[in-house]
Amino acid sequence: DQQVKQNSPSLSVQEGRISILNCDYTNSMFDYFLWYKKYPAEGPTFLISISSIKDKNEDGRFTVFLNKSAKHLSLHIVPSQPGDSAVYFCAASAQDTGRRALTFGSGTRLQVQP
Amino acid sequence: DAGITQSPRYKITETGRQVTLMCHQTWSHSYMFWYRQDLGHGLRLIYYSAAADITDKGEVPDGYVVSRSKTENFPLTLESATRSQTSVYFCASRSGGGEKLFFGSGTQLSVL
Repeated sequence: DQQVKQNSPSLSVQEGRISILNCDYTNSMFDYFLWYKKYPAEGPTFLISISSIKDKNEDGRFTVFLNKSAKHLSLHIVPSQPGDSAVYFCAASAQDTGRRALTFGSGTRLQVQP
Repeated sequence: DAGITQSPRYKITETGRQVTLMCHQTWSHSYMFWYRQDLGHGLRLIYYSAAADITDKGEVPDGYVVSRSKTENFPLTLESATRSQTSVYFCASRSGGGEKLFFGSGTQLSVL
């Protein structure tokens, strides 16, 4: 039973346009969310995070939105660049478990076309 | 260089063999983790450790053994490898007060 779900295995967008990656979660105890980016043959690298006390967090071209009532978060990349082509993982943690580990989604492969 | 390193980078083994994947970090992070990445499943937690000599099971621990005698090392052993353990394995670490994990480059393991 996946607690963090990324229902779109892949997404293709044109360079300069907006990329929107979605993530849903089922565990209501999750209160901290992260996005990781992964290039082939490399480990995942941290991109951006958001606490459940916020509904938006921005870092340059990347913005994460959190809708707690819908148990949904999304990552917006504007404008998209070819170098953004990678697999993006959504992850979550819960304070009640002492944040022992992150629970990851299955990932979305983003391809940005030049 | 500081960071988290995994070895070997690639490993091919046969069913029934024992194999150990190594993980070393230089940040003195208290927490260390082993995840496996499989198509359609994303990253699944195998084992984690909160400190030296403290380990606990994750989501998919069967067939794996870990140890943590030193803070900086967290080896993962497949006692008797099976084809279903063919995967990419990632080690990660974080400090005690943070949520962000730092990952190694991974070990691609093939069990024939």
